[in-house]
Amino acid sequence: GQQVMQIPQYQHVQEGEDFTTYCNSSTTLSNIQWYKQRPGGHPVFLIQLVKSGEVKKQKRLTFQFGEAKKNSSLHITATQTTDVGTYFCAARSLEAGGTSYGKLTFGQGTILTVHP
Amino acid sequence: DGGITQSPKYLFRKEGQNVTLSCEQNLNHDAMYWYRQDPGQGLRLIYYSQIVNDFQKGDIAEGYSVSREKKESFPLTVTSAQKNPTAFYLCASSIFSEAFFGQGTRLTVV
Repeated sequence: GQQVMQIPQYQHVQEGEDFTTYCNSSTTLSNIQWYKQRPGGHPVFLIQLVKSGEVKKQKRLTFQFGEAKKNSSLHITATQTTDVGTYFCAARSLEAGGTSYGKLTFGQGTILTVHP
Repeated sequence: DGGITQSPKYLFRKEGQNVTLSCEQNLNHDAMYWYRQDPGQGLRLIYYSQIVNDFQKGDIAEGYSVSREKKESFPLTVTSAQKNPTAFYLCASSIFSEAFFGQGTRLTVV
């Protein structure tokens, strides 16, 4: 089945440093989504990328979708303590016929800790 | 108040017993999902359903069962065949884009 590999598993940074997590697939993805899970919480949707080479920004967060639609990255500029949590990428498969979206597969996640 | 509700928040089960986790949504979403989360292992898909009365196995379906008799409800039963059921279980629903998650149920086998 479709798999997405995410690295690194853990990242420890000092407040103010940048942070990047990467998501890779062996197959072409129809789209990629990113979620954030705060400690003790549930995943919350951040963004979806659909187009080849797409770049989207949300304040200090920059999301990229590779040209071949096989990889994606999330970059946080100047981390803050509020950025602490686990960041997941997720890929949704396009069911046969392309009329509906089915399985939603998550990467292993990157746990980000920020030291003040 | 629209959303997805999981109950209970904490659940304790004796070894050898079946237990059912509840998941209800009032978002009118067609697709619903069950994930299991273990420390350091991300979210692993157990079952998913795209429409009422239909569901598919995910990556780790062994020892679990589901039903989808109503659009709003997608209960998960953890059976005694699941050898290591202690985990955090998350239910989600979606249409085409973002998935909305419930607060999760933390199951502990005692």
